[in-house]
Amino acid sequence: AQSVSQHNHHVILSEAASLELGCNYSYGGTVNLFWYVQYPGQHLQLLLKYFSGDPLVKGIKGFEAEFIKSKFSFNLRKPSVQWSDTAEYFCAVSGFTGGGNKLTFGTGTQLKVEL
Amino acid sequence: SQTIHQWPVTLVQPVGSPLSLECTVEGTSNPNLYWYRQAAGRGLQLLFYSVGIGQISSEVPQNLSASRPQDRQFILSSKKLLLSDSGFYLCAWSPRGTGASGTQYFGPGTRLLVL
Repeated sequence: AQSVSQHNHHVILSEAASLELGCNYSYGGTVNLFWYVQYPGQHLQLLLKYFSGDPLVKGIKGFEAEFIKSKFSFNLRKPSVQWSDTAEYFCAVSGFTGGGNKLTFGTGTQLKVEL
Repeated sequence: SQTIHQWPVTLVQPVGSPLSLECTVEGTSNPNLYWYRQAAGRGLQLLFYSVGIGQISSEVPQNLSASRPQDRQFILSSKKLLLSDSGFYLCAWSPRGTGASGTQYFGPGTRLLVL
């Protein structure tokens, strides 16, 4: 069975600090990896995803993530965070169902960016 | 553009009462549909998914059931709620045929409190 582990449950940073959120997964098949974000009062939405090709994936709002197969990791990074990045971040791995895809989520990381 | 609706937004129910949560998607046809639950301090857990009308797959044995009476309607039900059913319920959809790399689009969620 697939599983996802997010190491940091709560992170507090000052504006302009660099961010790295850890994500490790276990899955026996072809890997599809996602980062979703939920801003306060908004729907859960896709930040970026990896399914093939370049292991360095760029997403919205300056976020990027690197797929390192040997480490079973898909860490999320941003060089300089902003107050508006305050949100909850979820890493997820996808398993194919034969029609759709089943997402297995990590427990999430609550990021607070202080001015 | 596509939109996804969930209702009610919040719900407080006594133990042993029935439950019906509704999710509808607009602007797309034949979507894959999903129900997730987020309990306090835990990640999102996939409960049910559907690749077509009347086709429901259950991921976790539990007190809940799901139905898909129409192409873009997904209902989560229970005959008798338990305290452990409290949580945040999210509906999601993904385009048919996008497979394991497909993005899922989430609704606003329903917060259920069972007392």
